[in-house]
Amino acid sequence: GNSVTQMEGPVTLSEEAFLTINCTYTATGYPSLFWYVQYPGEGLQLLLKATKADDKGSNKGFEATYRKETTSFHLEKGSVQVSDSAVYFCALSGGYSTLTFGKGTMLLVSP
Amino acid sequence: EAGVVQSPRYKIIEKKQPVAFWCNPISGHNTLYWYLQNLGQGPELLIRYENEEAVDDSQLPKDRFSAERLKGVDSTLKIQPAELGDSAVYLCASSLGAPLAGEETQYFGPGTRLLVL
Repeated sequence: GNSVTQMEGPVTLSEEAFLTINCTYTATGYPSLFWYVQYPGEGLQLLLKATKADDKGSNKGFEATYRKETTSFHLEKGSVQVSDSAVYFCALSGGYSTLTFGKGTMLLVSP
Repeated sequence: EAGVVQSPRYKIIEKKQPVAFWCNPISGHNTLYWYLQNLGQGPELLIRYENEEAVDDSQLPKDRFSAERLKGVDSTLKIQPAELGDSAVYLCASSLGAPLAGEETQYFGPGTRLLVL
């Protein structure tokens, strides 16, 4: 079946540091890949997505590239801010639009 | 455009009591999902509706959970009776439709945080 593996958190960074959150997946066929962000006490917000191999999703300075050869979709940001502190979820959408999520990675950014 | 609306935001009940959660999806979204999110985990699908039809309820514990989506718009998820282990966040999401390019993106509501005492 489908599965998503994320690096465990928390990831702690200073403001303006470079961020990478690793995500790898196992799936049949050609899934779409997503990053969602969850701020404390809130629901999930779509951050970015990619629907086919080599696509790059980007939003608010975050980027992730769909790498079929390594089955990865790592999230990156060049300079994090305190306001980026949240939990980040990697997810894939299989053939019936059901999302399979990773366990989430907490990011803590200090001033 | 309004997002997915859920109510209540928080609910505290005693075990064995019934509880219900309500969801109003984004206007025009035919597909509606209910997810369960335990603390420190990613959401897990409970049920998926295509219009008013439940097309995937394989993960819904049918002995105590039920759901409905009358008229293919709003949806209600019910637990009766609630157990201590049901304490979690219940998320509702919606999408335009089936997994065609660009239509499968799911948009989430803020969730209902349930505490069973």
